[in-house]
Amino acid sequence: QSALTQPRSVSGSPGQSVTISCTGTSSDVGPYNFVSWYQHHPGIAPKLMIFEVSKRPSGVPDRFSGSKSGNTASLTISGLQAEDEADYYCCSYAGSWTWVFGGGTTLTVV
Amino acid sequence: QVQLVESGGGVVQPGGSLRLLCAASGFLFSTNGVHWVRQAPGKGLEWVAIIRSDGKTKKYGDSVKGRFTVSRDNSEKTVYLQMNSLRVEDTAVYYCARDVGWASDCWGQGTLVTVSS
Repeated sequence: QSALTQPRSVSGSPGQSVTISCTGTSSDVGPYNFVSWYQHHPGIAPKLMIFEVSKRPSGVPDRFSGSKSGNTASLTISGLQAEDEADYYCCSYAGSWTWVFGGGTTLTVV
Repeated sequence: QVQLVESGGGVVQPGGSLRLLCAASGFLFSTNGVHWVRQAPGKGLEWVAIIRSDGKTKKYGDSVKGRFTVSRDNSEKTVYLQMNSLRVEDTAVYYCARDVGWASDCWGQGTLVTVSS
């Protein structure tokens, strides 16, 4: 159960787009379309932003989108806003009812 | 509304035990699995355990396997995490989260566990 690999940080200006990658293996991200993304502001409960690779829960702006290719999933945030500044975590099903998170990416809106 | 509230955190010495509770409300508790996820100071989220809706399927992360036990009482709408043989590296905020099939759509605010002598 090794953590998925995410960049430590990304940044962008208001209105721009950023993409956060999440690299796993042929045991977790690769074989399953069960990648989810969470937004986490310090001191607040994490919020589900994307599930099953590319689906958005109700209430999540369509500026947030997800995709996957091979063992790498990606979260793209377009039209960056100041309130998007947070930590983002990917999570993948890893078989046998186990899950694994990525190390987290800090998004800074400069 | 859907709500999960964790409790039971505190300070414990290495080798000690602690039991966390996750109280649910606002949804049909018996139909959902529940995850435990933790965040150590300055670190990222780490998946700890899951208990499925029927309480029979339980799985654990490698770092807690054999030391932590998850259980649930559907009549009380509560999930428990029994933590034994605690280590300094178990120090973290522990969250419970509702499983909706391959993702967690509702998380509690977390409860802090500090393992220190």
